[in-house]
Amino acid sequence: DAGVTQSPTHLIKTRGQQVTLRCSPISGHKSVSWYQQVLGQGPQFIFQYYEKEERGRGNFPDRFSARQFPNYSSELNVNALLLGDSALYLCASSLWDRDTEAFFGQGTRLTVV
Amino acid sequence: GENVEQHPSTLSVQEGDSAVIKCTYSDSASNYFPWYKQELGKRPQLIIDIRSNVGEKKDQRIAVTLNKTAKHFSLHITETQPEDSAVYFCAAREDTGFQKLVFGTGTRLLVSP
Repeated sequence: DAGVTQSPTHLIKTRGQQVTLRCSPISGHKSVSWYQQVLGQGPQFIFQYYEKEERGRGNFPDRFSARQFPNYSSELNVNALLLGDSALYLCASSLWDRDTEAFFGQGTRLTVV
Repeated sequence: GENVEQHPSTLSVQEGDSAVIKCTYSDSASNYFPWYKQELGKRPQLIIDIRSNVGEKKDQRIAVTLNKTAKHFSLHITETQPEDSAVYFCAAREDTGFQKLVFGTGTRLLVSP
């Protein structure tokens, strides 16, 4: 029984570059959410996608964007990387858009140098 | 928006003792309160959750209580074991029409043998 899978697990990028992170939800789950976890803090909500549409957005700049594909997998894109974007990026999947538990992937550790 | 405060930030107990972690939330419309356990370098794992129409929920050694009037919820771990050592996060789901979890800042629990 596969859980939420994310790729890559680790990534090092240079300031100003662009990055794409990928997430495959649990089979049957139609909702994918993205969170940013800075070291020593709790995860912060970035986006939720449900049925390929953006359902919610957190307080992040327009440099952050995402999309969801027909198979419910998702990509998170971050443009013009800043040092402060260094964090663990977590993807969470759930059955529906609300009222269900969220299960997290192992995350992508992004380091911006 | 929702704001979640979590205390204590660190908690050290002896094996077999009980541990209690407390959280408060600000938005009375929040309706779902999960607890996640995150071991070093691993994904946050959902360990227990409670909905706003329930006052208490137990699962073996773990229990969660919710006081809606005080906007306060707590995690109780009895008979702690060294493998309970991890960072625990509480969260509240905003009643926004989509699934946005707002996390506390985490509690590092250390259980000494």
